[in-house]
Amino acid sequence: KQEVTQIPAALSVPEGENLVLNCSFTDSAIYNLQWFRQDPGKGLTSLLLIQSSQREQTSGRLNASLDKSSGRSTLYIAASQPGDSATYLCAVLMDSNYQLIWGAGTKLIIKP
Amino acid sequence: DTGVSQDPRHKITKRGQNVTFRCDPISEHNRLYWYRQTLGQGPEFLTYFQNEAQLEKSRLLSDRFSAERPKGSFSTLEIQRTEQGDSAMYLCASSLQGGTGLGIFGPGTRLTVL
Repeated sequence: KQEVTQIPAALSVPEGENLVLNCSFTDSAIYNLQWFRQDPGKGLTSLLLIQSSQREQTSGRLNASLDKSSGRSTLYIAASQPGDSATYLCAVLMDSNYQLIWGAGTKLIIKP
Repeated sequence: DTGVSQDPRHKITKRGQNVTFRCDPISEHNRLYWYRQTLGQGPEFLTYFQNEAQLEKSRLLSDRFSAERPKGSFSTLEIQRTEQGDSAMYLCASSLQGGTGLGIFGPGTRLTVL
């Protein structure tokens, strides 16, 4: 059974710092991995999608990497801003079905 | 098309009552998903439709839960005889068949069962 873990559960850093959020999964037979952002009281916003054959994806100040063999992904946020404060979730899509298996998220607070 | 919409955004009900939520997906998306998210946890898959066919259901979806997508467009999720443990955010997402499963998520319906 696939399990997705995100560490840390919460992170608070000063504005301007570069930071890394971690996501690990137990079954490497994934179709893709996705990072989402969730703001309080709002739905989920897709940030980056990495196919199983890819190593990384970049969008603006965000860079996501994927190491299938070790079951790990990282989301790197450069030059953090208070507007980056949100909960970040990673999810894996398995080959065998169309379910997204989610981590519990990392709650990020960027202090001005 | 402004994205996936869900109605209502918030629902407070008493234990034992029935509730129904609606999801309107992006019009050209033929896949529709329902997820449930409790506080501090990631979303849990409930069910998904391809057009009007319900292709997969999680074991989380007890007999009190039923979902429909009668015309392959909007979907409803009904919970009968609600229990306090049903309190959660119910999220809907839609995507294109053959897509990457990324999905576009709606804002969710927050259910509180008193």
